[in-house]
Amino acid sequence: GAVVSQHPSWVICKSGTSVKIECRSLDFQATTMFWYRQFPKQSLMLMATSNEGSKATYEQGVEKDKFLINHASLTLSTLTVTSAHPEDSSFYICSASDRGGGVYEQYFGPGTRLTVT
Amino acid sequence: AQKITQTQPGMFVQEKEAVTLDCTYDTSDQSYGLFWYKQPSSGEMIFLIYQGSYDEQNATEGRYSLNFQKARKSANLVISASQLGDSAMYFCAMVFRDQGGKLIFGQGTELSVKP
Repeated sequence: GAVVSQHPSWVICKSGTSVKIECRSLDFQATTMFWYRQFPKQSLMLMATSNEGSKATYEQGVEKDKFLINHASLTLSTLTVTSAHPEDSSFYICSASDRGGGVYEQYFGPGTRLTVT
Repeated sequence: AQKITQTQPGMFVQEKEAVTLDCTYDTSDQSYGLFWYKQPSSGEMIFLIYQGSYDEQNATEGRYSLNFQKARKSANLVISASQLGDSAMYFCAMVFRDQGGKLIFGQGTELSVKP
């Protein structure tokens, strides 16, 4: 149980285009989803926290107009990288916590590798 | 400020031996949780072990144990009987009840197991 999927697993896009990444909780309802970004050989950095039906809370330094997050249902959150540039190339990972578990329960998706050319 | 520190960028261990990965943290909160995750080259984050700040016993999960020293604010991971498949990045992370469950990660330690 507690499976989180991400789609796509990898994507290549041209500079200036937008890319949408989906994060789904497959067998539980995720009241809260988190989006992380990871550059090669570095740690995970939290970008934003999204709660179902409300606006996402972005971490300091993360451009909310560039990284659009929508948590429209209890099983789906999307991250859209708008007007992508090569410096946005990174590994994006989502995680989800369920309503029934404690606040510490968090399940990770497999990640999405974004390359902007 | 809340911070997690992993001071070992890379570690080597001989197969079948034990290894300790260091993690220290800084917080004035009393209620928090500590995690260890493994990240192989595929990128997936694999949960290994969890320790709550009020847990009196050190957590254990199979070959993984967490050496929790609250007064020293350290939460080291011990892997016993290392296997080649243990080669990966290992991250220590912290969560706070009053911050909606978001995780703060350490810098990570790259473990290489030698045959």
